[in-house]
Amino acid sequence: DAKTTQPPSMDCAEGRAANLPCNHSTISGNEYVYWYRQIHSQGPQYIIHGLKNNETNEMASLIITEDRKSSTLILPHATLRDTAVYYCIAAQKLVFGQGTRLTINP
Amino acid sequence: SAVISQKPSRDICQRGTSLTIQCQVDSQVTMMFWYRQQPGQSLTLIATANQGSEATYESGFVIDKFPISRPNLTFSTLTVSNMSPEDSSIYLCSVRPGTANEKLFFGSGTQLSVL
Repeated sequence: DAKTTQPPSMDCAEGRAANLPCNHSTISGNEYVYWYRQIHSQGPQYIIHGLKNNETNEMASLIITEDRKSSTLILPHATLRDTAVYYCIAAQKLVFGQGTRLTINP
Repeated sequence: SAVISQKPSRDICQRGTSLTIQCQVDSQVTMMFWYRQQPGQSLTLIATANQGSEATYESGFVIDKFPISRPNLTFSTLTVSNMSPEDSSIYLCSVRPGTANEKLFFGSGTQLSVL
C-alpha cells in the first residue's frame, strides 16, 4: 500500500475553490487514489476516486499527475458545510492517514 | 450503493465487560471491514471480516480481544472483549460491495465509552 502525505490543515474562503494536495510517490500501477471526508465523528463519506485519468463528479474533481505521484482534490465552490477532515488514500486496502483538516471561512 | 445499519450507536460499559457491535447491510457485499477511531485520531483498520472463515487481523489486533463473525454476505459482528478505558473509541463497519477497486461505504459508527 502506498504511503500518502497531506498537509495537516488548510483554510479556504467560502465560495472559493478549495484545492487539497496529496503526495503518493510510492503508488503502484494498479492502485487507485481515493478521497474521503469525515465531518465531526460521522462515518467517512466517499468523495471521488481515480486511477490515472482526471475525474469529476457532483461533489469534486480529482486531478492526478501524469506520473501518478501526486493528486489534488478540488472542491470548486466551497461552502461552510465542506469543513471536514479530508483523507487521501492510495491502495486497495483503505488505510487512512492523518488527513487534512479543511476549514471553510465565511 | 450500500446502506449500513450499525448497532448500538453508542454505549457506556464497565471495565472488564464485553460489547458486541452489529453491522447489517441492505445488500450482499464482497468485503466487510472493521475500523477503530480513537479520540482525535484517524481511522485504524482492525480486520477484514471473511465470510465463513476467520477474520484477517491487522498488526496490533488479535482475535482474543476483537473476535469477529461474518455468517453471511450481509452481516458481521465485532466484539470488544474484556474492555478497559483505552478501548473507548468509535468503531466503524465498512463494506465494499463489489470489486477490489470499488469504493467503501461506512456505517455511522458505535461510540463506545468504557468506565
